[in-house]
Amino acid sequence: DGGITQSPKYLFRKEGQNVTLSCEQNLNHDAMYWYRQDPGQGLRLIYYSQIVNDFQKGDIAEGYSVSREKKESFPLTVTSAQKNPTAFYLCASSAAMGADYGYTFGSGTRLTVV
Amino acid sequence: SQQGEEDPQALSIQEGENATMNCSYKTSINNLQWYRQNSGRGLVHLILIRSNEREKHSGRLRVTLDTSKKSSSLLITASRAADTASYFCATALNTGGFKTIFGAGTRLFVKA
Repeated sequence: DGGITQSPKYLFRKEGQNVTLSCEQNLNHDAMYWYRQDPGQGLRLIYYSQIVNDFQKGDIAEGYSVSREKKESFPLTVTSAQKNPTAFYLCASSAAMGADYGYTFGSGTRLTVV
Repeated sequence: SQQGEEDPQALSIQEGENATMNCSYKTSINNLQWYRQNSGRGLVHLILIRSNEREKHSGRLRVTLDTSKKSSSLLITASRAADTASYFCATALNTGGFKTIFGAGTRLFVKA
């Protein structure tokens, strides 16, 4: 079955550590996205990528980094510069950027700072 | 208010009743999408309605769009306990480039 796989499901980070969240899709989608969700709130866009080797900052990119070396993969690194990283992180993809494409989401990674 | 703001924030109904959720937005859109999120899980795409459409159906779901009022509604008929989830609207903005904004969601609780 086609879909998006996020791993790990739960991740604990110590102060000052960088951590990387994995996102893999086998839908042959060109566009991929990372969102952050805080309790009781909507999704905020961190980074997005329209095509391999290209990515753009979203609304809350500070303290995060991404890469898009393969079409299938869009890993997110939460750096030590992100002061409040505890949140639920969602990866999504769509066939292309622009209008009329719904998103497919992964099941999320819950990151907690310990 | 924000782009893509759902109302009510929370809704509790009995199984078998209909549930209606509303979404208001501020700027011109290409389309509006509704998603469901079960607790601790990712979002699931339910339905997309284009700016030139007024109503769409999918099973027990009915979505309407009123671009003059900049609002949309999601109706779930004959609700079931399994419909308990958060429902989000997402608006794809007509800016000539990419921008899709998600609201904060409506929490629906269906009592068996």
